[in-house]
Amino acid sequence: SQTIHQWPATLVQPVGSPLSLECTVEGTSNPNLYWYRQAAGRGLQLLFYSVGIGQISSEVPQNLSASRPQDRQFILSSKKLLLSDSGFYLCAWSVGGVTEAFFGQGTRLTVV
Amino acid sequence: AQSVAQPEDQVNVAEGNPLTVKCTYSVSGNPYLFWYVQYPNRGLQFLLKYITGDNLVKGSYGFEAEFNKSQTSFHLKKPSALVSDSALYFCAVRDRGRYGGATNKLIFGTGTLLAVQP
Repeated sequence: SQTIHQWPATLVQPVGSPLSLECTVEGTSNPNLYWYRQAAGRGLQLLFYSVGIGQISSEVPQNLSASRPQDRQFILSSKKLLLSDSGFYLCAWSVGGVTEAFFGQGTRLTVV
Repeated sequence: AQSVAQPEDQVNVAEGNPLTVKCTYSVSGNPYLFWYVQYPNRGLQFLLKYITGDNLVKGSYGFEAEFNKSQTSFHLKKPSALVSDSALYFCAVRDRGRYGGATNKLIFGTGTLLAVQP
């Protein structure tokens, strides 16, 4: 069966420090991969999605970047964190264009 | 662009009573619609989806949703609420590309907090 791993679960980072969040999927090939952010409140904002290795689409201009070095690995990065980068980051995967997406457990990032 | 709206920030219901969480959509062409649930500090869990076929879709944990094309709605329902159903519920739609085919992007509503009182 397919599983998705996202780590770390919580992270506290100072302003100006770098960030690297990792997400890996097991049990499927060539998945679509997504990074969402859920800010205080509840709305989910799509940050990046990828349909294949090295193929990244950015949805909103921001202080973050994403990379997909391997088929089932998706990394969210920042060179210098801002206070506004705080939030709950969710990785997700899907296969095909009409199927549901499956989410990781999320990373709670607090920038101090 | 495709979108979904969840008009209620919060829904309160007594345990044992039926519950409804509302969702309306705006799409071009036929919609692909989804419901998810989120418990505190956790990822989203898939509940059910409508792609085509029967308007009443059954999903996990006793939930169901009714697709209504004339009202452009996809309300989530459960005949008898449990305290453990208390969580944040999201409606979502699959985005469509320039030529009408489903894309890989899932667009979420703002969420509805369901509170079930014992």
